Amino acid sequence: EIVLTQSPATLSLSPRERATLSCRASQSVGSYVAWYQQKPGQAPKLLIYGASNRATGIPARFSGSGSETDFTLTISSLEPEDFAVYYCQQGSNPLTFGGGTKVEIK
Amino acid sequence: EVQLVESGGGLVKPGRSLRLSCTASGFTFGDYAMSWFRQSPGKGLEWVGFIRRKGYGETTEYAASVKGRFTISRDDSKSIAYLQMNSLKTEDTAVYYCSRDPKPFDYDPSGYYQDWGQGTLVTVSS
Repeated sequence: EIVLTQSPATLSLSPRERATLSCRASQSVGSYVAWYQQKPGQAPKLLIYGASNRATGIPARFSGSGSETDFTLTISSLEPEDFAVYYCQQGSNPLTFGGGTKVEIK
Repeated sequence: EVQLVESGGGLVKPGRSLRLSCTASGFTFGDYAMSWFRQSPGKGLEWVGFIRRKGYGETTEYAASVKGRFTISRDDSKSIAYLQMNSLKTEDTAVYYCSRDPKPFDYDPSGYYQDWGQGTLVTVSS
């Protein structure tokens, strides 16, 4: 099973700041990584798939990069609605998720 | 509009069984693989398993943590996917989500999930 390690666990930032979230895989997953945003009481929302492709309706301030074992989700300028928990996920069977990064208001 | 609605959650004693349903609408259900995920209270996300289309024999794959206890099935005539959970343990307590593969007709899941239900809570406790 591929283990995904996300860092940091918590990111304290102010609106309009840049957020950089990291996801490291225990072995190569190619570009088979997705990123999700989750708010309390809601289902995960797909942001990025294939490491760098924005899902339908996702604003351009969200971008993904990386390959093999190291991946990054960048939010270029935080909006108030972006404060949430973010998960990375790799798509090889068995699918696995990272432990999440909470982006909180500073 | 794609809609997925989970139901069947509730409080159940350890060792008992429960069946969850995922009722789909807004797309041709039989064309897609369907998956189940779960999230323990205050914890991260975990993949449970998936079921392929009828054309691929409705074959299934499961996470190691549930293999042999959980069974995923589907009824394309009703647009419903099921998660039969047997021999439940306290660690199975979670919100259970169903999701649709984003691409129709594929044998292997695409590995990412655009459409999710709202989830149903399963609590395993004596």
